[in-house]
Amino acid sequence: SQKIEQNSEALNIQEGKTATLTCNYTNYSPAYLQWYRQDPGRGPVFLLLIRENEKEKRKERLKVTFDTTLKQSLFHITASQPADSATYLCALDILNLIFGKGTKLSVKP
Amino acid sequence: DAGITQSPRHKVTETGTPVTLRCHQTENHRYMYWYRQDPGHGLRLIHYSYGVKDTDKGEVSDGYSVSRSKTEDFLLTLESATSSQTSVYFCAISESKGEDYGYTFGSGTRLTVV
Repeated sequence: SQKIEQNSEALNIQEGKTATLTCNYTNYSPAYLQWYRQDPGRGPVFLLLIRENEKEKRKERLKVTFDTTLKQSLFHITASQPADSATYLCALDILNLIFGKGTKLSVKP
Repeated sequence: DAGITQSPRHKVTETGTPVTLRCHQTENHRYMYWYRQDPGHGLRLIHYSYGVKDTDKGEVSDGYSVSRSKTEDFLLTLESATSSQTSVYFCAISESKGEDYGYTFGSGTRLTVV
């Protein structure tokens, strides 16, 4: 079965630095990969979608890469702020979305 | 984004009782989903629907049933609740996000089975 690993359960960084989160998967590559943000007590919120033929996608301070050879996606938040503190989930589109367990990001002032 | 409301927001129920959770959307989105989220497991798909009366099982469907008699409502039923079904349940719809698409989630239902 398809497996998704988000390598870090938690990531602590200093304000202003770039946060880099990793999502690795096994078996076949999806046509799309998505990233979500989840705050405590709330449902996940869609951030970005990247297609298998796109190497990189940007949205404001967010950047996502997708390497189908490595079976890996990297999610970057540049100039991080304390308000970016949340859990970030990657999701593969295999008929329906399959989610990773998430990485909890803490940005310290 | 579509309006999605889940009810109830919180529920405590006893083992062996039936429980129904409701998901309501305000737009005519075809696809609707029920996920559960547990520490250490992340979000797991229970059931999904691709139209009125069209539903299918997800990864963790045992002990759950669903119904969709109207486009806007997707019901999740625990026929006989067990403690292992204590979880946070999220409903979602699939919709366009500009040039892309993504899921919009409800606020969740926290269910405790005692």
